[in-house]
Amino acid sequence: IVLTQSPVTLSLSPGERATLSCRASQSIGHYLAWYQQRPGQGPRLLIYDASNRATGVPSRFSASGSGTEFTLTISNLEPEDFAVYYCQQRDTWTQRFGQGTNVE
Amino acid sequence: EAQLVESGGDLVRPGESLRLSCTASGFIFGAFPMSWFRHTPARRLEWVATITGSSSSTYYAESVRGRFTVSRDNAADTLYLQMNGLRAEDTALYYCARGRTVPPDFDYWGPGTLVTVSS
Repeated sequence: IVLTQSPVTLSLSPGERATLSCRASQSIGHYLAWYQQRPGQGPRLLIYDASNRATGVPSRFSASGSGTEFTLTISNLEPEDFAVYYCQQRDTWTQRFGQGTNVE
Repeated sequence: EAQLVESGGDLVRPGESLRLSCTASGFIFGAFPMSWFRHTPARRLEWVATITGSSSSTYYAESVRGRFTVSRDNAADTLYLQMNGLRAEDTALYYCARGRTVPPDFDYWGPGTLVTVSS
């Protein structure tokens, strides 16, 4: 299963809305997670099973999708949201990540 | 709260071996699958290996199968990655992470340990 994220880079300003896409090469049901990675830090789980926010994740992060098309939306960007975002499938035990979207 | 801390990263020459450790705290270690990942200089996040809670099953990325071995000591709350036959392309920041469910996504990550393979 190949995950393709778009766009590669998203240039926005604080307060704007970010829409990130992740496309799977075959159906993965709802078995998709989204992670945020800031410079110098390990990844942070934001969303699991396509649309469920992980513990402590602010409500400005939302996600949707199933099958092969998934979307992460960050409404009202805060300064700490400028980071790289990855999607990951857990349809199989061999993990796959997308190549990442840099929100700058 | 769950915490993970990696150690063992170093500068090694091609062909050499290295063992990474990941010490866990704040949760029942043996109840969760655990994985290793790496972040390469090409800025890609890559899964390396996964081991189930009981060590009954292990899974490896194609790029490391046959060279790397993942193991765990549940009594010591520690995850390991034995890396043999290291190559320049194994140079990366290595992370351990806790699996939230099965097959896993990952809800807790360590800060990483740096492995550099260079002559």
